[in-house]
Amino acid sequence: AQKVTQAQTEISVVEKEDVTLDCVYETRDTTYYLFWYKQPPSGELVFLIRRNSFDEQNEISGRYSWNFQKSTSSFNFTITASQVVDSAVYFCALSEVTSGSRLTFGEGTQLTVNP
Amino acid sequence: GAVVSQHPSRVICKSGTSVKIECRSLDFQATTMFWYRQFPKQSLMLMATSNEGSKATYEQGVEKDKFLINHASLTLSTLTVTSAHPEDSSFYICSARPNQGCNQPQHFGDGTRLSIL
Repeated sequence: AQKVTQAQTEISVVEKEDVTLDCVYETRDTTYYLFWYKQPPSGELVFLIRRNSFDEQNEISGRYSWNFQKSTSSFNFTITASQVVDSAVYFCALSEVTSGSRLTFGEGTQLTVNP
Repeated sequence: GAVVSQHPSRVICKSGTSVKIECRSLDFQATTMFWYRQFPKQSLMLMATSNEGSKATYEQGVEKDKFLINHASLTLSTLTVTSAHPEDSSFYICSARPNQGCNQPQHFGDGTRLSIL
């Protein structure tokens, strides 16, 4: 069975600080995908990244970076020089190829960036 | 990019009313669509997988007679909450997986906020 754990329920930082959101997953499949989504107060889900299980390269996109480590089953997300607009709930999610693309979400991390 | 339109965005109804939510893929075809529910300050939970031309697959604990799903075309899936009660108040989000390509990621609608009085 697939499971995603985001241990940090809430994080509060001051603008311009760096912040890392943790994500740990469990799966028995060797082929799977990991995702990060942002959910602002308006509710829609904003896709941030998808990573497949065979690609452990870290990725950087502007102020966002992701660290995928299969050895620890983690897919952590770092925001550099955080901004107030980064305030949102962030979800990590897992999709096993054998489960037909069904997404299992973590509990989410509420990030608040204060000015 | 691929767009999924979900309508309505917000519904406020009296208890006992049935509410239909539409999920439309605007520029791609989707044999498979998904319906999620999110209670306040909680995660998204998959309710059911909607398959065009066949019955939906419901997750454990989700009443299929309560949440009717119809996926009559490759671009439209509907979720009907029958005889809704206050405990059905929630945020419902659909997603669609494009047919084209291999292992394409799901594209999400903007969600429907359902409030039952």
